[in-house]
Amino acid sequence: AQTVTQSQPEMSVQEAETVTLSCTYDTSESDYYLFWYKQPPSRQMILVIRQEAYKQQNATENRFSVNFQKAAKSFSLKISDSQLGDAAMYFCASVGGGSNYKLTFGKGTLLTVNP
Amino acid sequence: NAGVTQTPKFQVLKTGQSMTLQCAQDMNHEYMSWYRQDPGMGLRLIHYSVGAGITDQGEVPNGYNVSRSTTEDFPLRLLSAAPSQTSVYFCASSYSLMSAGAAYEQYFGPGTRLTVT
Repeated sequence: AQTVTQSQPEMSVQEAETVTLSCTYDTSESDYYLFWYKQPPSRQMILVIRQEAYKQQNATENRFSVNFQKAAKSFSLKISDSQLGDAAMYFCASVGGGSNYKLTFGKGTLLTVNP
Repeated sequence: NAGVTQTPKFQVLKTGQSMTLQCAQDMNHEYMSWYRQDPGMGLRLIHYSVGAGITDQGEVPNGYNVSRSTTEDFPLRLLSAAPSQTSVYFCASSYSLMSAGAAYEQYFGPGTRLTVT
């Protein structure tokens, strides 16, 4: 079974500054994948970034990057130059390899961006 | 492409009533799934399907049925609605969750807000 823990129910950041959202996970799989999804007030789920566990290099997508610490089972999301449009609920998620098709989500972190 | 569509967007049921939440995708995705989202709980997997004719249970399957007769459609049936099923329901699809070392994005529908009184 997989578990995903987001220990920060809420975070806030000033516009143009950097914020890091935390995520830890637990899995018995050797082959697994990690995701960050964004849910703005519109309720639409949007993929922000993904990381294959076998890749040592941290994934980046424009202003979004991750700090993937495999031994510590940590997968934090860094948002640089925060914008008002980044305000949303952010979910960390994991899926195991092989025939495991169950995507497990954390409980989410609500990010507020202050102008 | 319309992507993933869900109907209805809102629904109010009385306890004991049954209904079907519809989900369709036009991307020829193999994998489809249903989640429920409750405050403070994140998204929890109800049922999923890896192809037509194949379904399996997720984390919270009780009270829900699914079937997958076509690649495009994956309806979720509430057999006898209970207030505990008040939630927002999301359908999602992808080519797979992972294959050949690649992780695939799930595409989510807009959600259905269900209230059971």
